[in-house]
Amino acid sequence: QSVLTQPPSVSAAPGQKVTISCSGSSSNIGNNYVSWYQQLPGTAPKLLIYDNYQRSSGIPDRFSGAKSGTSATLGITGLQTGDEADYYCGTWDDRLSTVVFGGGTKLTVL
Amino acid sequence: QLQLQESGSRLVKPSQTLSLTCAVSGGSISSGGSSWNWIRQPPGKGLEWIGYIYQSGSTYYNPSLKSRVTISVDRSKNLFSLKLSSLTAADTAVYYCARGGSSSWYVGWFDPWGQGTLVTVSS
Repeated sequence: QSVLTQPPSVSAAPGQKVTISCSGSSSNIGNNYVSWYQQLPGTAPKLLIYDNYQRSSGIPDRFSGAKSGTSATLGITGLQTGDEADYYCGTWDDRLSTVVFGGGTKLTVL
Repeated sequence: QLQLQESGSRLVKPSQTLSLTCAVSGGSISSGGSSWNWIRQPPGKGLEWIGYIYQSGSTYYNPSLKSRVTISVDRSKNLFSLKLSSLTAADTAVYYCARGGSSSWYVGWFDPWGQGTLVTVSS
């Protein structure tokens, strides 16, 4: 059971937009910066977003991040088949005194 | 371009100690204020952060693993290492090393990551 809650899966058609939610609490998302990672099949995670909405170097502006209260959201527009991957959110948890991740969301581009 | 590469034992027996090394290339482990992290992912499951070390040797470990974890750094060889003791099958995972960045007092993001190495705990 992950500290941060993500939907197990989302799907959308090519060219469409999708959002992936990450729900936490006041001890983690509510008080700290959130990062997002993309893990393509069989590869290591790759940083997409840090500090809630800052895009990592080389990441296209099709990817965006937002945070409100104890939840964060990753948005992807202009979906491509190459975006099919698992997506993870992460942050620091003040109560647990550790980095915590969401359980991951599998994106399918239909 | 900074690159990280894990190496070490792939098959370890229960109760023994896992030893992994992360070689850093394209940059110095001693430069900047980055932390050097270990993260693991059991097959088909999510990510678990293990801990970090700074080039100064300062460490911080996930409290759930703290009693079994040691992370060390070798600045002369530009690498850092992980030891995890008293292994059980639950420690079977892909182990990643990654550079950590931060805009605050805690590690905020991980970039880049090594390709990962699968460690299997089995007799």
